Amino acid sequence: DAKTTQPPSMDCAEGRAANLPCNHSTISGNEYVYWYRQIHSQGPQYIIHGLKNNETNEMASLIITEDRKSSTLILPHATLRDTAVYYCIVRVYGSGNTGKLIFGQGTTLQVKP
Amino acid sequence: NAGVTQTPKFRVLKTGQSMTLLCAQDMNHEYMYWYRQDPGMGLRLIHYSVGEGTTAKGEVPDGYNVSRLKKQNFLLGLESAAPSQTSVYFCASSRPTGELFFGEGSRLTVL
Repeated sequence: DAKTTQPPSMDCAEGRAANLPCNHSTISGNEYVYWYRQIHSQGPQYIIHGLKNNETNEMASLIITEDRKSSTLILPHATLRDTAVYYCIVRVYGSGNTGKLIFGQGTTLQVKP
Repeated sequence: NAGVTQTPKFRVLKTGQSMTLLCAQDMNHEYMYWYRQDPGMGLRLIHYSVGEGTTAKGEVPDGYNVSRLKKQNFLLGLESAAPSQTSVYFCASSRPTGELFFGEGSRLTVL
């Protein structure tokens, strides 16, 4: 699975949109982009995933560039409860998935009042 | 539906002691993982399994052994615990095509 690069930390004002970038320049055609977050010391929680089209669910939106080399997770109206570490990973979907799944350091998002 | 359950949740060991962490999932997932997380750090993959009876090494496998005798269980063993293995251990499971589901973590201290 391809590696990802994320900024170590970001701040966001409460109520504003939080835009978290991720670089995955070596992504291959059968790899999806997944986002997880970890609040305090809990187990990471799945947020969203996508292949090449923009995706939206009740938690967030995922914007993937046309060349698929980078993506942005958008939390439209950040709250204090969104303060967490956010991980971007890429993963082969379906056959060919070796199972080895590496997490990076993630981005620590601090939402401020 | 319990999801992914880790036992024990807390444990204190002395250097040289052995122990086993148990991960159980009730979602019939093929893939299972063990990660460790040190303070202020990201998750590091220790070992993983893509099916019953199979295991493979991750990023930091030294000092750990694993077994997947049953599809629903993935055991992580420390044969001779060292202070460097003080960490929070997370287990996760997934289908080959799905997202990961994580347990709540097991906090291990080695004195």
